[in-house]
Amino acid sequence: SQQGEEDPQALSIQEGENATMNCSYKTSINNLQWYRQNSGRGLVHLILIRSNEREKHSGRLRVTLDTSKKSSSLLITASRAADTASYFCATDFLVDTGRRALTFGSGTRLQVQP
Amino acid sequence: EPEVTQTPSHQVTQMGQEVILRCVPISNHLYFYWYRQILGQKVEFLVSFYNNEISEKSEIFDDQFSVERPDGSNFTLKIRSTKLEDSAMYFCASSERGGRGSGSKNIQYFGAGTRLSVL
Repeated sequence: SQQGEEDPQALSIQEGENATMNCSYKTSINNLQWYRQNSGRGLVHLILIRSNEREKHSGRLRVTLDTSKKSSSLLITASRAADTASYFCATDFLVDTGRRALTFGSGTRLQVQP
Repeated sequence: EPEVTQTPSHQVTQMGQEVILRCVPISNHLYFYWYRQILGQKVEFLVSFYNNEISEKSEIFDDQFSVERPDGSNFTLKIRSTKLEDSAMYFCASSERGGRGSGSKNIQYFGAGTRLSVL
């Protein structure tokens, strides 16, 4: 798979349920970020987890990172209809040249049914 | 809250025509980027720009593409001779100055995008 692959590709849940999305990557990274994209709109940064962190929380979001497995998960608790969007993980590589380009995964389309 | 703004929101052009997509990054940011997203596909990196020069570009960013920061606020992407396959959403992003390596957060703030339709 390519750098930054999310699964599932699509997820449909009921309001109030938790949504878990996973991301796998292939190279060593500086950090991993999750972005959200509403249909036809730009990307909104949600949360960043550094390569030396294992878990991070922000409101209803919980992100984990397992660098040994090169994987991350995003958990949205108590989902709301307004959480309906596509969610992307993005990585930047661990290099000395200061590369800052983000590599995005294919995304998970989350549908929260009211 | 400061934001990245892009104009136009939708650009329709004929194949072979030149287009210029415009972006106003967040004012205190020093790194600027262009990404594109073909309908239903991944967001793909095109180019990054720092200190008035390209710092990195992808294989997509060929001779038909160029970027410029013509003044202190605008950042533009030019496509010289558009092709049908250039149809996509083009996103501009910017980030604050940051250190290299693991100390850098590299949070990029994205504009709403320009939808380019090449006919």
